[in-house]
Amino acid sequence: KQEVTQIPAALSVPEGENLVLNCSFTDSAIYNLQWFRQDPGKGLTSLLLIQSSQREQTSGRLNASLDKSSGRSTLYIAASQPGDSATYLCAAFNQAGTALIFGKGTTLSVSS
Amino acid sequence: EPEVTQTPSHQVTQMGQEVILRCVPISNHLYFYWYRQILGQKVEFLVSFYNNEISEKSEIFDDQFSVERPDGSNFTLKIRSTKLEDSAMYFCASRTPWREGQWEQYFGPGTRLTVT
Repeated sequence: KQEVTQIPAALSVPEGENLVLNCSFTDSAIYNLQWFRQDPGKGLTSLLLIQSSQREQTSGRLNASLDKSSGRSTLYIAASQPGDSATYLCAAFNQAGTALIFGKGTTLSVSS
Repeated sequence: EPEVTQTPSHQVTQMGQEVILRCVPISNHLYFYWYRQILGQKVEFLVSFYNNEISEKSEIFDDQFSVERPDGSNFTLKIRSTKLEDSAMYFCASRTPWREGQWEQYFGPGTRLTVT
C-alpha cells in the first residue's frame, strides 16, 4: 500500500532563499507524482506533475525531481517570495494509477 | 482557463440528514474523483468514476456514500445519513483520458461540510 511522507512539516525562511521540500513514498512502482499548493481554507492548485519516466520537471521558479529507486521526490523553490507562503502537498498515484495518495504537506512561511 | 467548480462552498447539516455535494468537472475530462480532507489531516481518496461507473473506491467510501453523473456536466457525491465524522472539506477532481503526459488531476475549490 502506497504511503507518502513529507518533511519538514513546517518551514520558515526569509525572502530570497532557495529551499527544498522533501517527499518520500513507499512503493517505487509509482506511475506519476504530482505536487500541489494549498492556501489556507482553499482548494488544491496543481504545480507540477512528474511522469514515472521523467527525472525532473520545471515550471518558473519551481523544479521537481523524482528518484524512483530511492522513493523520493523534491520540490525546489528558487528565490522564495512572501507569496509562496502556503502548504505544499506531494501526491503519488496508487498502484492502479487511478487515485492520488497524499502526504500531509509542508507548510511554508516566507517572511519579507 | 477551464476549471472544476463545486457547489455549495459551505454546507451545514444536522446528523442523520442526507447531503448532496455537486461538482462540474472540466468539460472534456472523462475521469472524475472525490477526495476529502478532515481538518488538520491528509487529503484522502474516496472514489474514482469513469464511463458512468465507479472504477475504484477506498475503505472510507461505504454504503452511506454514492456518486452519480446525472447529466453531461454534473458529478455528485451523496452522503445518505451524515455523521459528525463526515465533517470535512470535500474536493472534486477530474482529468482527461490517459495519454502521454495527461495524468494531471485538476481539483475544485472544495465544499466544506459541517455536520452538527
